[in-house]
This record gives sequence, structure tokens and C-alpha cells, in this order.
Amino acid sequence: DVKVTQSSRYLVKRTGEKVFLECVQDMDHENMFWYRQDPGLGLRLIYFSYDVKMKEKGDIPEGYSVSREKKERFSLILESASTNQTSMYLCASSLREVNYGYTFGSGTRLTVV
Amino acid sequence: AQSVTQLDSQVPVFEEAPVELRCNYSSSVSVYLFWYVQYPNQGLQLLLKYLSGSTLVESINGFEAEFNKSQTSFHLRKPSVHISDTAEYFCAVRGGGSYIPTFGRGTSLIVHP
Repeated sequence: DVKVTQSSRYLVKRTGEKVFLECVQDMDHENMFWYRQDPGLGLRLIYFSYDVKMKEKGDIPEGYSVSREKKERFSLILESASTNQTSMYLCASSLREVNYGYTFGSGTRLTVV
Repeated sequence: AQSVTQLDSQVPVFEEAPVELRCNYSSSVSVYLFWYVQYPNQGLQLLLKYLSGSTLVESINGFEAEFNKSQTSFHLRKPSVHISDTAEYFCAVRGGGSYIPTFGRGTSLIVHP
């Protein structure tokens, strides 16, 4: 069964900490994405990557960075966590042709205190 | 830029009743349309998609959606819902010159016994 795996289901971090969210896919997909999901706001795209070492800003990149050193792994980094980054974070991957749809991970619920 | 409107944030319904979840989008030029479902504490799963051809598309669990170009809509329907259909449903649209799909804010379907 094909998978997108997010390393943590729940995380609690302190304000100011550097936070790493990891995502690994086993489908040899070219594209990978990071979204955050908040009640009433739906999914908002943070960053995406269409190839190794390539990255593009999404709609809300401020306060975040990403790393894609290998095709299967896409990391989201919160340089200095703040309480307004408390959210559900969803990783997704897709073939180069996005019309085939995304495969999502189960999500990481991050709480910043 | 593409925009997606899910008109209902929450739809309560009794088991075995029919349901329609509404989705409208802003651009009618070369759109590709998706519905995703998110069960509690899980990531999103692709439910169905319209790329071309027949305007009526079906999923394996009894949902269907119809692409209506003139009304720029892609409503999701099921003639008889089950308790297990309780979930969040997201409409997504790729088109209007954008490479990345845009998601609606989601509709929470709540099926009561």
C-alpha cells in the first residue's frame, strides 16, 4: 500500500524553538507539498517542491522553510515557533502531473505553548 | 487566481437520507475538479475527480459528482448516507492558469442515527 508518512502525530513545542516536521513518501512521486489546516480556513499551502532541492512558496510561507535533499523526503521547518503556528500540518505528494490527485499523510498536530 | 466556495460549513443529515454538498469555483477555463474526504484524525483521501469526458463521476462508496460548466459547480451527492460517511469533505479545483489545486474550506457532513 502506497504511503505518505509523517514522523509525528502530535507535537508540543515551546515558543521560540526550532521545529522540524518530517514527511516521507514511498511512491517515487516528483511533487511534495506542505499544508496547514485550521478550522474554518480549510487547507492553505505553505510550500511545495517539484524536484529534489527545488522549492516554491505557497500562499503562507512566512515563518516557515523547507528542505528536500532526497526525492522521498520533504521537511518543514519552523525557524522560531510561535503560538499562531499551532495547527494541523498535512504533507502530500503527487506525480508530476497533479491531475492524478494527491496522496496525503495522516497529519501532525502541532501545539506551540 | 482560482477560488473555490463550499457553501455549507456543516451539513447534518439522518442516516439513509440523501445529501448534497455544494462546491462552486471561479474559473470555467480548463478546470480539473476533485473531492477529498477526511475521516476523524486522518489525512485527506481522494474520493473522486473530473478531468474530462462524462460530466458525472462516481466513487466506489456510492458518492457521485456532476461537473456543470455553465454553473461552474461540482456538487457531491449520495442518495442514502451511512453513519460511516461522517467526515469532512473538501472540494479542490485546478485551473485558471494555476498549476496547484485550490481547496475549499470544507464541509462537515454529520450523519445522525
